[in-house]
Amino acid sequence: AQSVTQLGSHVSVSEGALVLLRCNYSSSVPPYLFWYVQYPNQGLQLLLKYTSAATLVKGINGFEAEFKKSETSFHLTKPSAHMSDAAEYFCAVSPTGRRALTFGSGTRLQVQP
Amino acid sequence: DAGITQSPRYKITETGRQVTLMCHQTWSHSYMFWYRQDLGHGLRLIYYSAAADITDKGEVPDGYVVSRSKTENFPLTLESATRSQTSVYFCASSESTSGRTDTQYFGPGTRLTVL
Repeated sequence: AQSVTQLGSHVSVSEGALVLLRCNYSSSVPPYLFWYVQYPNQGLQLLLKYTSAATLVKGINGFEAEFKKSETSFHLTKPSAHMSDAAEYFCAVSPTGRRALTFGSGTRLQVQP
Repeated sequence: DAGITQSPRYKITETGRQVTLMCHQTWSHSYMFWYRQDLGHGLRLIYYSAAADITDKGEVPDGYVVSRSKTENFPLTLESATRSQTSVYFCASSESTSGRTDTQYFGPGTRLTVL
């Protein structure tokens, strides 16, 4: 079964600092991977997705993620955090044979002024 | 320009009662999904539907019933609510153009409390 693991349920950074949110996947076939963001009291919004076209994927709001097969990772980064980036971030994988997503447990990002 | 909506946004009910959560999308997307969100578990799939009158179970279907008589609606019913079903429920939809890489679009969620 395909799954994702997010390391760190809470991450705190200072405004202007690098954001790094970790996601590792488990899959015996090429995975399709997604990062979603959830702002307080809202639904999830797609940040970016890996569809095997390019290993470095750029998303909205300055976020990007790099697919590394050798490390089975798809970490999310942003060079400089803004206060508005405070939210919960979910990594997800699209399993073979099913359209629904399998989500990680989420990482809450806190941005300190 | 409504997109995907859920109602009610908040619901408090009692153990044993039947509750129906509504989901409506205006894009005519083929696929629709119900997830529940609980602390430490991320989102878990309850049921999904590939088209009208086609539904299938997800990871945690017990105690839930779905139907899809129209493409745009996908109601979720808790037949006899239990405290363990206290959660935030999200509906999502996606097209069927790109297969497993299709983006899912989420509604704002329904916060359900079962007393």
